[in-house]
Amino acid sequence: GQQLNQSPQSMFIQEGEDVSMNCTSSSIFNTWLWYKQDPGEGPVLLIALYKAGELTSNGRLTAQFGITRKDSFLNISASIPSDVGIYFCAGVQGAQKLVFGQGTRLTINP
Amino acid sequence: NAGVMQNPRHLVRRRGQEARLRCSPMKGHSHVYWYRQLPEEGLKFMVYLQKENIIDESGMPKERFSAEFPKEGPSILRIQQVVRGDSAAYFCASSPGGAGEQYFGPGTRLTVT
Repeated sequence: GQQLNQSPQSMFIQEGEDVSMNCTSSSIFNTWLWYKQDPGEGPVLLIALYKAGELTSNGRLTAQFGITRKDSFLNISASIPSDVGIYFCAGVQGAQKLVFGQGTRLTINP
Repeated sequence: NAGVMQNPRHLVRRRGQEARLRCSPMKGHSHVYWYRQLPEEGLKFMVYLQKENIIDESGMPKERFSAEFPKEGPSILRIQQVVRGDSAAYFCASSPGGAGEQYFGPGTRLTVT
């Protein structure tokens, strides 16, 4: 089935650094969502994007919905230890079916 | 304000047994979705239900898997005659409908021995 291409697959950074990850697709999506998943838990919704070109912030997180509707990025500024986890992008397709990227695993060295 | 609830959190079944996974959506949400996640992978859509209706089951295997969301009670994902390949984390999500935001439960980790 269709998947989103998410990159990078993993990141190893120092505490305090900024983080950037992105998601691309060959198909158009009308909604992009970014989730964070901790080990043994379900994904937690971070940011929802509904309009092409939209830039939305949630605290230290900023996400943008690409103009072409085929991509999105997520930035985390001034990373802290609790940012560790796996970040997933998801596009909404058809009757509200989510298509997920493969995830970006973020590791932070204190 | 309870979130999406799933039980059990962990389920162990022997090959050939049945697995029943339950999901109670967030209060006020009438749309339920089931996803499966294998280790080190993203979630894969299985089925989308509204009360008493299956809206989209395009991600559901044709055999052994079924889902329901009755008028009263939780949504149930049922896997008959489980095989080792069914071992995965199964997540339920809910939404109020009409928008893309879906809120996930903590998942059920199914292990088939």
